[in-house]
This record gives sequence, C-alpha cells and structure tokens, in this order.
Amino acid sequence: EVQLVESGGGLVQPGRSLKLSCAASGFTFSDYYMAWVRQAPTKGLEWVASISYDGGSTYYRDSVKGRFTISRDNAKSSLYLQMDSLRSEDTATYYCTTDRYGCFDYWGQGVMVTVSS
Amino acid sequence: DIVLTQSPALAVSLGQRATISCRASQSVSTSSYNLMHWYQQKPGQQPKLLIYDASNLASSIPARFSGSGSGTDFTLTINPVQADDIATYYCQQSRELPPTFGAGTKLELK
Repeated sequence: EVQLVESGGGLVQPGRSLKLSCAASGFTFSDYYMAWVRQAPTKGLEWVASISYDGGSTYYRDSVKGRFTISRDNAKSSLYLQMDSLRSEDTATYYCTTDRYGCFDYWGQGVMVTVSS
Repeated sequence: DIVLTQSPALAVSLGQRATISCRASQSVSTSSYNLMHWYQQKPGQQPKLLIYDASNLASSIPARFSGSGSGTDFTLTINPVQADDIATYYCQQSRELPPTFGAGTKLELK
C-alpha cells in the first residue's frame, strides 16, 4: 500500500524558514517524480514544485521560485521542501504527492503551515 | 498559465446522474493524450485521483465514475450518485507547466 507521510509543519513568523519532509513507502520511490501541492484554508489546490526521479531536475511555480527548494533522498525514500522567506500567503496545508507526467496519483494526509506574527 | 473553469456547485438527488464540467482556457490535448485529470476531496481529507488522461479510471475507483472530453471541454460523470460521493471535485491539467487546477465543484444533495 502506498503511504506518504508529511511532517515538519507548524507556526512560523513571516520571513523565517521551515523544512517539510515526506516519508514514502509501499512503492519504489526512485521510480517516481514527486511533487508538493498546497491548499490555503477554504481554498482550492495549487501546485508548488516537482522533482525528477534522481533530483536532477526541479520545477517551481513562479511565486515560490528563489524561496523554496524541493529535494529528495532516494536512499531514505524521502521528499523535502525547504521554505525560506515565508510569507502570509504561503499559509496552507502542504501535500506530498507522486507525480506521473503531471498527474498526482497518490497523496499524503497533508501538513499545515501557518505563517503569522 | 492555463485557466480551468468549473461551476462552483451542483445539486443532485441520490441515485441520479451528476455531470461536472471543466473548461480550459486553451487546449490541453496532444495528438495522443487528453491531459486532464479529476480529483475528489472530502472535508478534512486529502484529494484522491479519480480519472486520469480525461477518461481513464484510477485504481480502485468505482465504475460509476467516468470522464470524457478533449481539447478545452471535459466532463466528469457520476452515475448513479451515492451518499459517499458528496464532496468537492477538481479538474487539473498537465499539458503545460505550471499544472493548474480548477476552483472545484461542490456536489451537494438536492
């Protein structure tokens, strides 16, 4: 059974940093692109970033470019999202997902990030 | 970015057919694929993939869900609607970066 378990969320002040982690199991992690998708409270879904099988290629939405870094450790079957210079508009539930040619097959339960002073 | 437009809500009776539409601001089809996908999200839960590439049922999804469409116009059909189907449904395109989602259609009971 595919499992994706996010961690690392919480309350953080604007301008500060936070690092999210996602532990994957139940599938061959290195065979999948991976992604982060977020959802602001009571809002819709928004793709944040994707990473290739070996981490050699990364893709970001414009609003997080230069502030967020997606990475992975295939030996640990783990995905990460380093978030720097956080803004109030980054407040959301962040989901770890598999990314099959841009289709998000499997989702974690999500982790909440609140950016507020 | 490709904008996907969905109706905000749809009221339906149990046992009836529900048809949810999604219109893209430009074509999301290639010569081989229709790159539109559908997700279901219940309150407090993560989204779940229902349909990929416009018409392919995802793993473990009941056959009462189906998808159709090409180019800019796509449809998710639920027939017959069951109580467990009450949720918000999102379309999403992967034709171009960034992948974009519709704003969601909330399926409600009539």
